[in-house]
Amino acid sequence: DTGVSQDPRHKITKRGQNVTFRCDPISEHNRLYWYRQTLGQGPEFLTYFQNEAQLEKSRLLSDRFSAERPKGSFSTLEIQRTEQGDSAMYLCASSPGLAGRGDTQYFGPGTRLTVL
Amino acid sequence: AQTVTQSQPEMSVQEAETVTLSCTYDTSESDYYLFWYKQPPSRQMILVIRQEAYKQQNATENRFSVNFQKAAKSFSLKISDSQLGDAAMYFCAYRSVYGGSQGNLIFGKGTKLSVKP
Repeated sequence: DTGVSQDPRHKITKRGQNVTFRCDPISEHNRLYWYRQTLGQGPEFLTYFQNEAQLEKSRLLSDRFSAERPKGSFSTLEIQRTEQGDSAMYLCASSPGLAGRGDTQYFGPGTRLTVL
Repeated sequence: AQTVTQSQPEMSVQEAETVTLSCTYDTSESDYYLFWYKQPPSRQMILVIRQEAYKQQNATENRFSVNFQKAAKSFSLKISDSQLGDAAMYFCAYRSVYGGSQGNLIFGKGTKLSVKP
C-alpha cells in the first residue's frame, strides 16, 4: 500500500491555459473523490467516482472542469481556460467502497494550482 | 443540507498539556459519521479519529479522544499529552450514510493548532 499519489504537486499556469492533474488511488480502492481547498478553508467536494462511473458532481464543478477515471484506476481532473479563481489545492481521496459502515477516505498530498 | 462549524480558527497548547478542539454540525439525519482529520503544514491530510452516530461510546485512538454529544450536535476532539508533532490544521468532517451524497465529506473551516515547547 503506497498511499494515494497525485501529480504534479505544484502547477503554475497563465490565465486561459488548460491544466490536467492526475490521481492514483490506493490499489483496489473503487471509490475516488476530488476536493478543492482554498486558503483558510476546509476542502470542498467536487466529484466522485465509483469504479469508472462518475456518480456525482458538485455545483462547484463548472463546465470548464472535467474528470475521468478510465478503467476504474487512476483519475484525471482537467480545467479548461483557467481563471485566477481556480487557484487552490486540489485533493484526491480514495476509499475501499466497503458496503455498510467500513468506508474511510484516504487523501493524497494534493496538487497546488496557481493561476497567474 | 448539512453544515460543519469550527468556531476556533486557532488554538495553542503547551507541550504535554491537554487541548480540546470544538466542532458543531447541523443535520436532519439520524445516522452519519463524524471525523477529525489532521493536515500538517505542506503534508497530506490524515485521519485522526472517526465516530459513528449510532454508537453512544466515544471513540478513542491513543492520545486522541472525542466527546460526541448527539443531541447537542457537538463533536469535540481532545488531545492529551500534546506533542510538537501534533501541530497542524485540524478539520472536523461529516459524512452521510444515506444515498445521494455518495459518501462525500463535508468539512469545517479548520482549527490551526500550535504546540509550544
